[in-house]
Order: sequence, then structure tokens, then C-alpha cells
Amino acid sequence: GAVVSQHPSWVICKSGTSVKIECRSLDFQATTMFWYRQFPKQSLMLMATSNEGSKATYEQGVEKDKFLINHASLTLSTLTVTSAHPEDSSFYICSAEDTPLQYFGPGTRLLVL
Amino acid sequence: GNSVTQMEGPVTLSEEAFLTINCTYTATGYPSLFWYVQYPGEGLQLLLKATKADDKGSNKGFEATYRKETTSFHLEKGSVQVSDSAVYFCALTPDSGYSTLTFGKGTMLLVSP
Repeated sequence: GAVVSQHPSWVICKSGTSVKIECRSLDFQATTMFWYRQFPKQSLMLMATSNEGSKATYEQGVEKDKFLINHASLTLSTLTVTSAHPEDSSFYICSAEDTPLQYFGPGTRLLVL
Repeated sequence: GNSVTQMEGPVTLSEEAFLTINCTYTATGYPSLFWYVQYPGEGLQLLLKATKADDKGSNKGFEATYRKETTSFHLEKGSVQVSDSAVYFCALTPDSGYSTLTFGKGTMLLVSP
């Protein structure tokens, strides 16, 4: 149980385009989902907390207009990287809360050329 | 604020060696403590957890004891295998009930045959 999927698993895009990443809880409902970013050989940095039916809460320094989060249902949250640039290249990981634990997706590797 | 400090890696061991990865934390109140493992190219998997002082979490031969007096949660395994090669993250959630995870920087473990 408690499986979280992400799609796509990897994506390459051109600079200036937008990329949408999906995070799904497959066998449980998650009121709260989290989005993290991980740079090579570094820890996970929380970007935002996504709550179903309400606006996401962004961590300090994360641009809400650049990283759009939508949590439209209890099993799906999406992260859209708008007007992506090479510095946005990273490994994006989501997690879904099945209280009291968080279960992590396998991650999405984004490469912006 | 809350923080987690882990020993820097990589930790390189031969198969069947004893493993210790140190983790100390700073937090107010009574946090819950976690170890997550990340295999190459994958997301994080919960390895074990402890929610109160003197609790011992264990899984797959790994164990860690919540030591409030030393604010530590060191990860140990008596005999490592090549398949244990991964990055290990120590993390905590605060005692407020809000499930935001604070991660350490991660420790890479490399086990050779």
C-alpha cells in the first residue's frame, strides 16, 4: 500500500517552454502533498505544500508564479514549471501524506536545454 | 528552527562490514525521527522511524535508537551488502503534528564485494 507515482519520470525541454509534472497517490487519498527539489549530491529542499482544494503554501525563496501547483483532487497534484530555463534543471520529487507519514514518488528528472 | 546534521560521505565499506551513519538533530519539543533511503535514480523510501525517546526503529537489518539525551538517531547495520549502496537521509518532523520533513544532507554509502 501507500504508493505514489510521478509522471513523467524524465523530461527534456527547450528553454522557455512549460513542463507539467503529475504526482498521484494510487491507493490512498492525500489531502496534503509536498513538492521537493533535489540538486545533485544534495538533500531535498521543500518547495511547497499542496493542499487539496486550496492554494499551495510556498517556502521562502520559491517563486509561486514560476512553479505553479494545483491539487485538484485527493489523489492528484501537479507542478508546472513555467518558462523553464537551464537553471531549473533538477530532480523533482513529490510526496503524499497518509497521516502521519509521507510517501514519496520516484521523482522526475527535468533537463532544460 | 529545526535542523538535522549527518556525517558526510561517502562511506565506503566492504561487504559484511558494520555500518554506522551518525545523525544528530536540533528541535524543540519531541520530534519524530526518520531514516530514508534513496537508491540511484529513484525517489525516497522510508527505511525506519521512531516517534519517542528510547524507541528503536528497525527494518531490513538496519536499526536506529531515538536518544533524546544526546539528540541523536544513528543508523546501524551489523553486516552490509552491496545492495545497501544508496544515499541515506536522516529527517525529522516537529511535534506540532504538521508533517513537514526536515532532511539532513544525506550520506552516500558504497559497499564493495
